[in-house]
Amino acid sequence: GQSLEQPSEVTAVEGAIVQINCTYQTSGFYGLSWYQQHDGGAPTFLSYNGLDGLEETGRFSSFLSRSDSYGYLLLQELQMKDSHSYFCAVGAYNQGGKLIFGQGTELSVKP
Amino acid sequence: DAGVTQSPTHLIKTRGQQVTLRCSPISGHKSVSWYQQVLGQGPQFIFQYYEKEERGRGNFPDRFSARQFPNYSSELNVNALLLGDSALYLCASSSRPVGQDNEKLFFGSGTQLSVL
Repeated sequence: GQSLEQPSEVTAVEGAIVQINCTYQTSGFYGLSWYQQHDGGAPTFLSYNGLDGLEETGRFSSFLSRSDSYGYLLLQELQMKDSHSYFCAVGAYNQGGKLIFGQGTELSVKP
Repeated sequence: DAGVTQSPTHLIKTRGQQVTLRCSPISGHKSVSWYQQVLGQGPQFIFQYYEKEERGRGNFPDRFSARQFPNYSSELNVNALLLGDSALYLCASSSRPVGQDNEKLFFGSGTQLSVL
């Protein structure tokens, strides 16, 4: 089968660093993506990992370990405006282009 | 450049009715995907179209159908609406077919469908 797990909620304070974990189980895996969504609006692409290791884009970094079927999104220097929902999404070959999304993590940044 | 546009933004229907949702991809993008998002959950894949051909279909009943036009815009049709079809329907475009490395989806703001 195919499954993703990520925490439903994470709370952190401004200026801190937060890590949102994602574990997956899928055959034919080729990559892990992260999307941000605010108040049920358009999900916005944040990052993609096709190879093991860390990808950095400004305050956001994403990590993948294929051997552990695990990845995470790291947000640094948290700001109040980062309070959104964050989704990990798995891509797998021979799935007709389907991305499998997790249930989402609601991040709350407190002052 | 305009992003992915969807219409209408909101729609209210009653059970048994039919609905058509529309999507215009980013200029130059030939792939359109449709996702259903129920409140509190992640998006669920419905279809992918590339170059006017269906490339993939998710686990949705035959009441759901779609097509892609020569200008790469797309329509999603849902027949015989059920209460459980109430959701946010998201359209996403990409420059390449999804299913390869490093694809990046650009989502529209969605159509919020309420079935009463």
